[in-house]
Amino acid sequence: GDSVTQMEGPVTLSEEAFLTINCTYTATGYPSLFWYVQYPGEGLQLLLKATKADDKGSNKGFEATYRKETTSFHLEKGSVQVSDSAVYFCALSDSNTDKLIFGTGTRLQVFP
Amino acid sequence: NAGVMQNPRHLVRRRGQEARLRCSPMKGHSHVYWYRQLPEEGLKFMVYLQKENIIDESGMPKERFSAEFPKEGPSILRIQQVVRGDSAAYFCASSPQTGGNTEAFFGQGTRLTVV
Repeated sequence: GDSVTQMEGPVTLSEEAFLTINCTYTATGYPSLFWYVQYPGEGLQLLLKATKADDKGSNKGFEATYRKETTSFHLEKGSVQVSDSAVYFCALSDSNTDKLIFGTGTRLQVFP
Repeated sequence: NAGVMQNPRHLVRRRGQEARLRCSPMKGHSHVYWYRQLPEEGLKFMVYLQKENIIDESGMPKERFSAEFPKEGPSILRIQQVVRGDSAAYFCASSPQTGGNTEAFFGQGTRLTVV
């Protein structure tokens, strides 16, 4: 079945460092891909998405490109802030029902 | 326009009791999804409902768990005879339609603790 694999955390960075969180997927068909962010004690918020190959999703300085040839959707940010500290989830959606299949999440900790 | 509302935010139940979790989708949304998040894990799909219909319940445990989304009122996730392993955060998401390009909006979750 469909699945998502993302790098284990925690990822610990200093403020203004470059961030990469790797995400790869396995899917039949052509899923949409998402990154969600979860702040402590909160629900998930959509960070960005891409719906077809070579699309780039971007939001709040974060970017991810849908790479069909490598089945990847890595999350990047050029300069992280302390306020970016959260858990980041990569996900794909079933094209028929829109149910989401999540990776296990990567905790990001940014220190001043 | 209020977001997805879940209540209660925190629920404590003793083993063997019933837990009822409520989810009111965003206005105009007729699709509801329930997910479970175990401690330090990702979210796992449980069930997908439209008004009065269960569309996909492939992630629901076969026993003790049920879900409904009536014509009027919130969606309910019901867990009968809870056990310690049911302790988790349960998230509801809603969307206006399906089609792969539709954003699902999440509630803040209900954190169930079974003692």
